[in-house]
Amino acid sequence: QVQLVESGGGVVQPGRSLRLSCAASGFNFTDYATHWVRQAPGKGLEWVAVISYDGVNKYYADSVKGRFTVSRDTSRNTLYLEMNTLRVEDTALYYCARAAGQYTSGPPCDHWGQGTLVAVSS
Amino acid sequence: SYVLTQPPSVSVAPGQTAKISCGGNNIGSRSVHWYQQRPGQAPVLVVHDDTDRPSGIPERFSGSNSGHTATLTITWVEAGDEADYYCQVWDSSSDWVFGGGTKLTVL
Repeated sequence: QVQLVESGGGVVQPGRSLRLSCAASGFNFTDYATHWVRQAPGKGLEWVAVISYDGVNKYYADSVKGRFTVSRDTSRNTLYLEMNTLRVEDTALYYCARAAGQYTSGPPCDHWGQGTLVAVSS
Repeated sequence: SYVLTQPPSVSVAPGQTAKISCGGNNIGSRSVHWYQQRPGQAPVLVVHDDTDRPSGIPERFSGSNSGHTATLTITWVEAGDEADYYCQVWDSSSDWVFGGGTKLTVL
């Protein structure tokens, strides 16, 4: 069955960097776009970034553009989110989610991981 | 940027019908997806492309979309339906947008 397992979260000081990973299994990683979505404590869902099935197209929310980078390693079936210049407002549970199709626009997220918690604090 | 507006909360008695709205400018021209998030759990897709249900989602969950409002309807509400519900659309200028979420309380 489809599984997505996030890791890499933790406590980090403002201005520092962190890399999140999402290990995918149970499906052909290169056939689907994948997203990062975050949820601040007690708040709603916020879309962060998406990468297309072929890794060519990447899009970001304005709140993270220029600071976060999404990438993947198809040999490891793993999605990454490199987060630089972290801010207190980046504190959230970060989910990776598989799109129900190849492209970055249109298909919903049909499978989600359980999330990894990032806390940005001095 | 494109904005989706949901009521913060909806309350319904067991066995009744819950309707959760999602407002957006001309949202009827877009495909709307709905997610259920139970406390402490990851979101689950319950309706996609306005009206379609993924496999395993009960027929009690249905969606509609017209004009400036999309609606998620849950008939014969059960205690297990108590959760936060989010609508989502794709927008060419904003990319992916979520509504603020609606907390469904089963009385």
